[in-house]
Amino acid sequence: NAGVTQTPKFRILKIGQSMTLQCAQDMNHNYMYWYRQDPGMGLKLIYYSVGAGITDKGEVPNGYNVSRSTTEDFPLRLELAAPSQTSVYFCASTVGRNNSPLHFGNGTRLTVT
Amino acid sequence: GQQVMQIPQYQHVQEGEDFTTYCNSSTTLSNIQWYKQRPGGHPVFLIQLVKSGEVKKQKRLTFQFGEAKKNSSLHITATQTTDVGTYFCAGSLRGGGADGLTFGKGTHLIIQP
Repeated sequence: NAGVTQTPKFRILKIGQSMTLQCAQDMNHNYMYWYRQDPGMGLKLIYYSVGAGITDKGEVPNGYNVSRSTTEDFPLRLELAAPSQTSVYFCASTVGRNNSPLHFGNGTRLTVT
Repeated sequence: GQQVMQIPQYQHVQEGEDFTTYCNSSTTLSNIQWYKQRPGGHPVFLIQLVKSGEVKKQKRLTFQFGEAKKNSSLHITATQTTDVGTYFCAGSLRGGGADGLTFGKGTHLIIQP
């Protein structure tokens, strides 16, 4: 039981490049989330999904896109990367009932230069 | 929008001293969760508080939820080097999925041997 798996762990992008951050969970959780964490800050919700085929915007969705074709996978797409997207990205999942605990992946550290 | 303020931002203690972090919300919360993030790691769920005035203990950690359900605290007795990390509270206005969770900025606990 691997939990929530994120790839890659680190990535450096040039301004304007695109990439996809991968996230997979094997706990059969319906709810999945993408957060970004900037230095000294808390976690900001980018996008979330309550089940396959359903996604919705969080607090800071601009510059990102997501898809949820299966229960297990929830990739985050960055188009036209900008320096402001330099951050640590965490994927998380939860059963979704009554604010059950979030299970986080190990994170992807992204630098845009 | 909902705001969750957490203080202090940083706390230096000598090993063996106590530590407390406080979380305050601008609105009444449905419940509150606490997470710990080790340096370079990902947030890990510690506990959830739901009831007004609730107090829960985990070994040397004591969690409290205020009577008005607008504030919470985490107290660590006799800190150890393993307690180093950032402690986040996350408050929710409603039950359901974590899309309703708002994270505080966290308190960084630094322990001097």
